[in-house]
Amino acid sequence: EDQVTQSPEALRLQEGESSSLNCSYTVSGLRGLFWYRQDPGKGPEFLFTLYSAGEEKEKERLKATLTKKESFLHITAPKPEDSATYLCAVQAIKGGSQGNLIFGKGTKLSVKP
Amino acid sequence: DTEVTQTPKHLVMGMTNKKSLKCEQHMGHRAMYWYKQKAKKPPELMFVYSYEKLSINESVPSRFSPECPNSSLLNLHLHALQPEDSALYLCASSQEYRNYGYTFGSGTRLTVV
Repeated sequence: EDQVTQSPEALRLQEGESSSLNCSYTVSGLRGLFWYRQDPGKGPEFLFTLYSAGEEKEKERLKATLTKKESFLHITAPKPEDSATYLCAVQAIKGGSQGNLIFGKGTKLSVKP
Repeated sequence: DTEVTQTPKHLVMGMTNKKSLKCEQHMGHRAMYWYKQKAKKPPELMFVYSYEKLSINESVPSRFSPECPNSSLLNLHLHALQPEDSALYLCASSQEYRNYGYTFGSGTRLTVV
């Protein structure tokens, strides 16, 4: 069964304290892995798509990496405005959930000034 | 234009009311989706339209009725809802179904009283 597990569920950081969020996945052939940011009461905002192991993408203080089993979202010197829930989702090439986004439960990040 | 626009942003309705949620995109995407998101949970897929035809109905109760009048518009008609249907309803689109990442709208916060 295709599955996505994110850890930790919640993460509290001080401003400037770098850390990483984890997304472990089991899927019947990976078409793509997606990171989204979601603020309370808003829709998910697209951050990154990763397609193959070894791929890395960066945007401002965020860097996403991908292996065959997991993805990391590294946050360097976070600011309070980075506080949000970060969602990881995978899209499978085949199987019952083929093509649909399978979401993890998210990591709620809080950055204190 | 890289947006998915949802209206209204907030909706309060009684259990005997009929209302509709609207979604619009002008990115030329041929797949559109409705998701339901409860508090502190990931989005759950409800319906998928591909080339204006219903492709997926994830066992959603008949009190939710989707409609795709054209390639840019997606509606969700609501009738005789229950309080447990209160949630954030998200619309998303992608270039093609089963390919590419999704762009999400900001959602409609629905409260059923």
